[in-house]
Amino acid sequence: GDSVTQMEGPVTLSEEAFLTINCTYTATGYPSLFWYVQYPGEGLQLLLKATKADDKGSNKGFEATYRKETTSFHLEKGSVQVSDSAVYFCALSDPAKAAGNKLTFGGGTRVLVKP
Amino acid sequence: KAGVTQTPRYLIKTRGQQVTLSCSPISGHRSVSWYQQTPGQGLQFLFEYFSETQRNKGNFPGRFSGRQFSNSRSEMNVSTLELGDSALYLCASSLAPGQETQYFGPGTRLLVL
Repeated sequence: GDSVTQMEGPVTLSEEAFLTINCTYTATGYPSLFWYVQYPGEGLQLLLKATKADDKGSNKGFEATYRKETTSFHLEKGSVQVSDSAVYFCALSDPAKAAGNKLTFGGGTRVLVKP
Repeated sequence: KAGVTQTPRYLIKTRGQQVTLSCSPISGHRSVSWYQQTPGQGLQFLFEYFSETQRNKGNFPGRFSGRQFSNSRSEMNVSTLELGDSALYLCASSLAPGQETQYFGPGTRLLVL
């Protein structure tokens, strides 16, 4: 079945540092890929998405490129802020399958940005 | 436009009891999915509803059930609660199945004692 693997945290950074969170996936079809962010005590917010190979999703300074050849969707941000402290989830769905909207999530990566 | 709302936000139950959680999707959204989030298992898909029909179900025991009403609001029910059911239950809505952007509610945190 489909699966998502992302680097374990916590990742601790200083403000203005570069952030990379690795994400790789296994899927039999051609999935869509997502990054969600969860702030303390809240639900998930969609950060960005990409629906086909070589697409780049971007939002709020975050970027991720859908790499089919390496089955990866790594999240990057050039200069993090304290407000970026959160848990980040990589996820996939395959709308072409009967699975509909089912999202398969990675384990989450906690990011802590220190002033 | 109001987001996905979930009630109640917090709930404490004892083993053996049952619980019902409610989710109101974004106006116009007809697909509702439920997820369980625990520290040990992470985020796991429970089920998805569209047009009052369950379209897909995750690998959970039959104690977990749900339904969707004609106004797209959804409820999930857990019977005979176990300690391991303590979790954050998240609801997500989208326009329809295959409409990939899903919007999540704040969740209901259930504690089973």
